[in-house]
Amino acid sequence: GAVVSQHPSRVICKSGTSVKIECRSLDFQATTMFWYRQFPKQSLMLMATSNEGSKATYEQGVEKDKFLINHASLTLSTLTVTSAHPEDSSFYICSAKKGGWDSNQPQHFGDGTRLSIL
Amino acid sequence: AQSVAQPEDQVNVAEGNPLTVKCTYSVSGNPYLFWYVQYPNRGLQFLLKYITGDNLVKGSYGFEAEFNKSQTSFHLKKPSALVSDSALYFCAVRAPNTGNQFYFGTGTSLTVIP
Repeated sequence: GAVVSQHPSRVICKSGTSVKIECRSLDFQATTMFWYRQFPKQSLMLMATSNEGSKATYEQGVEKDKFLINHASLTLSTLTVTSAHPEDSSFYICSAKKGGWDSNQPQHFGDGTRLSIL
Repeated sequence: AQSVAQPEDQVNVAEGNPLTVKCTYSVSGNPYLFWYVQYPNRGLQFLLKYITGDNLVKGSYGFEAEFNKSQTSFHLKKPSALVSDSALYFCAVRAPNTGNQFYFGTGTSLTVIP
């Protein structure tokens, strides 16, 4: 077990559009989910940590109003890129972890969403 | 500050030969160490982790990694490489008592040559 599903896998849209990406833990409850951004041939950059039922914690330099995160249940977190522009084009990956805040469990990743803004 | 270094951007190895992907870390306290693999346009797949105990950790697909505290390293190894092992490999570290944040290395692209 420990399957994380991310949807959609790819989205292409016009500049100014808002895009919602879903991240679901299919067979476990994820108290904490994470959103990453990955540029070509680079590592993952943590954008925010999402805790069920509370506000997300954003990393320095990440615009909260630009990247809206909602973690309404133990199995679903969403990332909405508001008024997307070409510079927001990237590969977005979510992950989820079993256990509590300080659990030493590994993160389990979704397959990512390729976002292309025209 | 916590950090992870993967000194090699690219590793090439012939099929059937042993492979090593290097990782060194800097963390306060005893680290939790992880290896992940990423295939094109996919998320990361968990390979193995070191939390405590034996320094040699065995993971998925025949991979193993050795924790070396004195050298602050956690190199990924496999005795005999397969072409299907070609992918991007990430080392990650989490310091205890720092909550959830993982720190990822910059990744190493492994190419296994038939």
